[in-house]
Amino acid sequence: AQTVTQSQPEMSVQEAETVTLSCTYDTSENNYYLFWYKQPPSRQMILVIRQEAYKQQNATENRFSVNFQKAAKSFSLKISDSQLGDTAMYFCAFMVSGNTGKLIFGQGTTLQVKP
Amino acid sequence: DVKVTQSSRYLVKRTGEKVFLECVQDMDHENMFWYRQDPGLGLRLIYFSYDVKMKEKGDIPEGYSVSREKKERFSLILESASTNQTSMYLCASSSPFREGQYFGPGTRLTVT
Repeated sequence: AQTVTQSQPEMSVQEAETVTLSCTYDTSENNYYLFWYKQPPSRQMILVIRQEAYKQQNATENRFSVNFQKAAKSFSLKISDSQLGDTAMYFCAFMVSGNTGKLIFGQGTTLQVKP
Repeated sequence: DVKVTQSSRYLVKRTGEKVFLECVQDMDHENMFWYRQDPGLGLRLIYFSYDVKMKEKGDIPEGYSVSREKKERFSLILESASTNQTSMYLCASSSPFREGQYFGPGTRLTVT
C-alpha cells in the first residue's frame, strides 16, 4: 500500500524568506503523480503544483518549486519570497497513474508566514 | 474555472439522525470523491464514484453510504450519525486524472 508522510506538523517563516516543506512517500509503482495542495484558513483547498514521476525536471509554478528525488521517494516543496497569503495548511498527495484518480494524502504541514 | 459546491458550510446534527451532505460540480467530471479531514490525519477517502450509479469504498467507508444519480451530483449519507463522525467533510472531482482533484469548500459537521 502507498503511504505519504509529512514529518513537519508546523512550520513558520519570515515574510520574503524561503521555506521548504518535506514529503516522503512509499510505493512500488513506477508511474505516478505527486501533488502539493494548499488549504488557507477557512478557505477552499487548491492545487499548488504537480509532478509526473517520469519527468526528471522539477516542476515550478512562479514562487513554488519542488525537489523531486525519485530514488529517495522524496518530494519537497520550496516557497520562495514567502508572502502573508502563503499562510495555510499544505498537503502532499500521491496518485498512481492509470488509476481512478484516487489521491493519498499526507498528514499536512501548517505554515505560518510572519510579517 | 471548475466549481465544486457543497450544500452547507456548517451543520449541527444530533446522534442517531440521518445526515445528507450534497456536492455538485459544474465541469462534467467523471470522478467524484468524499473525504473527511481530521487534525493530524490529513484527508482520508470515504467513497468515490467514477460514473453515474457507480461507487467504490475508500479507506474509511464504515458508517457512510453514497449516492450518485446524476453525473454532477454526489451525495454522502450518514445513516445514523455518531459523535465520532464530527469532522470536516470535503468533496472533490477530477478529470483527467493527471490534473489532480478540485475541491469544494468543505462542510464542518458537528454531531452532538
